[in-house]
Amino acid sequence: EDQVTQSPEALRLQEGESSSLNCSYTVSGLRGLFWYRQDPGKGPEFLFTLYSAGEEKEKERLKATLTKKESFLHITAPKPEDSATYLCAVQAWSGGYQKVTFGIGTKLQVIP
Amino acid sequence: EAGVVQSPRYKIIEKKQPVAFWCNPISGHNTLYWYRQNLGQGPELLIRYENEEAVDDSQLPKDRFSAERLKGVDSTLKIQPAELGDSAVYLCASSLGGGVALSEQYFGPGTRLTVT
Repeated sequence: EDQVTQSPEALRLQEGESSSLNCSYTVSGLRGLFWYRQDPGKGPEFLFTLYSAGEEKEKERLKATLTKKESFLHITAPKPEDSATYLCAVQAWSGGYQKVTFGIGTKLQVIP
Repeated sequence: EAGVVQSPRYKIIEKKQPVAFWCNPISGHNTLYWYRQNLGQGPELLIRYENEEAVDDSQLPKDRFSAERLKGVDSTLKIQPAELGDSAVYLCASSLGGGVALSEQYFGPGTRLTVT
């Protein structure tokens, strides 16, 4: 069974304090890994897609990386507006279907 | 460009009552997804449509849940009868591609269902 584990479940940072969120996965036939941001009361908002080990993508203060077993979302000098829940999802072949499995997310709070 | 539209945003019903949720995807997006998200959890896929066809409904509790996507655009998800454990946020998402294509999903704001 496909598994996606995110850590930590919650993270509190001071403004400007860089850190990383982890997403480890156990799937066969990985087709891609997604990162989403979710604000309270809203649907997830797409951030990145990573396709293969070694790939990196950046957007403002966020940088996502991918290895064969995990992905990291690095947040450099975060600001309070970066506070949100960050969700990782993997798309893989499972039982003849292309399935997307989400992790439970990391709730990030950035303190001014 | 308009995003994914869902209605209603909130719904409170008593157990054993029916309920329906509506979704209008982004124009031109052929693939539509319904997810359920429990508090503190990630979204869980219920059903995926490619145009009018339900191509993955393996996670849909078919004894009480049903869905349709007539004409390959709007979609409706129904629960009948609702149970206390159905309280959750129901999210609709759409993407440009599907099937073998890898395509990011765009989510609506969700419908928060409370069953009392």
